[in-house]
Amino acid sequence: AQSVTQLGSHVSVSEGALVLLRCNYSSSVPPYLFWYVQYPNQGLQLLLKYTSAATLVKGINGFEAEFKKSETSFHLTKPSAHMSDAAEYFCAVSEGTGNQFYFGTGTSLTVIP
Amino acid sequence: KAGVTQTPRYLIKTRGQQVTLSCSPISGHRSVSWYQQTPGQGLQFLFEYFSETQRNKGNFPGRFSGRQFSNSRSEMNVSTLELGDSALYLCASSLGLVLSTDTQYFGPGTRLTVL
Repeated sequence: AQSVTQLGSHVSVSEGALVLLRCNYSSSVPPYLFWYVQYPNQGLQLLLKYTSAATLVKGINGFEAEFKKSETSFHLTKPSAHMSDAAEYFCAVSEGTGNQFYFGTGTSLTVIP
Repeated sequence: KAGVTQTPRYLIKTRGQQVTLSCSPISGHRSVSWYQQTPGQGLQFLFEYFSETQRNKGNFPGRFSGRQFSNSRSEMNVSTLELGDSALYLCASSLGLVLSTDTQYFGPGTRLTVL
């Protein structure tokens, strides 16, 4: 069975500081990994995805994530936080054959001016 | 292109009633997936439809059902509503070639409140 763990349901950073949102997964087969962002009263928007190509994945809005198989992690980072980054972030995993998505419980990011 | 649209955006029902939610995918997308989002359980996969057939299903009771029409529009039905069904129901569409790697585009959701 697959699962996704997002450490820290709430993360606060100062504007201009590094953003680090943690995601660990468990999967019995090579996974596909995703990060989504959800703004208030909106649906989810894909930030980036890993589908077994380069382990360092660059996404929209300056975000990137690195797939580390040995650590079963797919942490999301951004060098410099902007006020507009305040939102809920979800990590998700899927398998090639299962065709189901498993989402983490989300991390709410607050950016302090 | 127009995005994924969901109607209605807000819905209030009472226990025991049934409800139907609608989702119109992005033009050209053949896969529609449904998710339930609650503060306690997070996002949970309900089911996925592709070319009018249910292709994948999550672990929800039979009270939750869906269908897809020939134009790829999808409806989700919940019968005999329970208080615990109160949630944000999200619909996502994708090309549907390989769901596990496709980019899913989400609608704004339908907020269902069961009283």
